[in-house]
Amino acid sequence: DSGVTQTPKHLITATGQRVTLRCSPRSGDLSVYWYQQSLDQGLQFLIQYYNGEERAKGNILERFSAQQFPDLHSELNLSSLELGDSALYFCASSPGTVVTDTQYFGPGTRLTVL
Amino acid sequence: GDSVTQMEGPVTLSEEAFLTINCTYTATGYPSLFWYVQYPGEGLQLLLKATKADDKGSNKGFEATYRKETTSFHLEKGSVQVSDSAVYFCALSDYGGATNKLIFGTGTLLAVQP
Repeated sequence: DSGVTQTPKHLITATGQRVTLRCSPRSGDLSVYWYQQSLDQGLQFLIQYYNGEERAKGNILERFSAQQFPDLHSELNLSSLELGDSALYFCASSPGTVVTDTQYFGPGTRLTVL
Repeated sequence: GDSVTQMEGPVTLSEEAFLTINCTYTATGYPSLFWYVQYPGEGLQLLLKATKADDKGSNKGFEATYRKETTSFHLEKGSVQVSDSAVYFCALSDYGGATNKLIFGTGTLLAVQP
């Protein structure tokens, strides 16, 4: 158990809909990251938050947004969903932002868009 | 930009065989290097890491040495078990653009047969 929790575990929805994925980091970790794992793109970095502030953006679509709340949990919002958004979405956390930090991953949310 | 290249899988071995999974990287700075493992239906778990040249990371019988001269971080294990069957990801974290995001290789599926 990494200490990072993600809900829900599975999500099935239709094209055009909007969903929210939730992540709680390990106790004491200030950085939260979101990654997408798909068969064609592999594991890709989406976005990072540090202590409530956006730190960096990766290959995140404009239809996607995220935030980190004062209690440090994070939410990833996916809207106007398309079939190609079906993937595993992982949240990870780490103490800070240094390159030597280990990122601990949650169990993931599997999103299926029908 | 930074990148990680892993050997293509699947790798199929008999129990107690020697394992090598090759990983090479391209980075502009001084990255930290990681191996993560993903068991079926689960999230990513850190297997080992190395944060500077010539460091050796080790865990559960697995080892990898950070070779700056060959830009490599190959994963090895002397005697694999059926329980080692999983997907292995090589990754780097390089402090560029104010983020320590992880950049992953494509993953290598290891199947160990009894």
